[in-house]
Amino acid sequence: DIVMTQSPDSLAVSLGERATINCKSSQSVLSDSKTDNYLAWFQQKPGQPPKLLIYSTSIRESGVPDRFSGSGSGTDFTLTISNLQAEDVAVYYCQQHYASPLTFGGGTRVEIK
Amino acid sequence: EVQLVESGGGLVQPGGSLRLSCAASGFTFNSFWMNWVRQAPGKGLEWLAIIKQDGSEKLYVDSVKGRFTISRDNAKNSLYLQLNSLRVEDTAVYYCVGGAGWFLHYWGQGTLVTVSS
Repeated sequence: DIVMTQSPDSLAVSLGERATINCKSSQSVLSDSKTDNYLAWFQQKPGQPPKLLIYSTSIRESGVPDRFSGSGSGTDFTLTISNLQAEDVAVYYCQQHYASPLTFGGGTRVEIK
Repeated sequence: EVQLVESGGGLVQPGGSLRLSCAASGFTFNSFWMNWVRQAPGKGLEWLAIIKQDGSEKLYVDSVKGRFTISRDNAKNSLYLQLNSLRVEDTAVYYCVGGAGWFLHYWGQGTLVTVSS
């Protein structure tokens, strides 16, 4: 199974500043065609189901603000939230959609400093 | 608007069974792979199973293989999860999730399964 490791477990960022979340996979999630890294990011607010933010490393889901961006390749990936807003307080999960079983990172809690 | 509505959760004793259902609307159900994902109280996300559009392919995480069965009825736009031999550690909110390919685009609100004596 591909193990997904997120860091940090939590972080506090001032409004308007940048939050950076890291995710490392235990093996490459690069597609066989070598064109996509199958890594997604989700946002989960209290009492709500997760919401897909980004898939294939950097493609934003429809309606997701452009202050959310994803990057990375191979085994190392990053979610960046630029200009943090109050509504961005949530737990963020990375997930590989390359191989079964699909696996998630342990989550990163983002709070306002 | 895409809607996924789970039902069938509840309190069950260890060793018991439940059948979860998910009613889908607002999209072409038979075009999507469908999944079940769960979240234990205060914990992270665990993917459980996926089923292909026509039901011909099913994959499971090892922890539920042989105990849980995913199925679908495209005529009824419905997804199911049969849970057998339930354990205390199966206590969680169970989410129905759909997407193109293996992308987890659309999530239901979840249904709570509590396994306790």
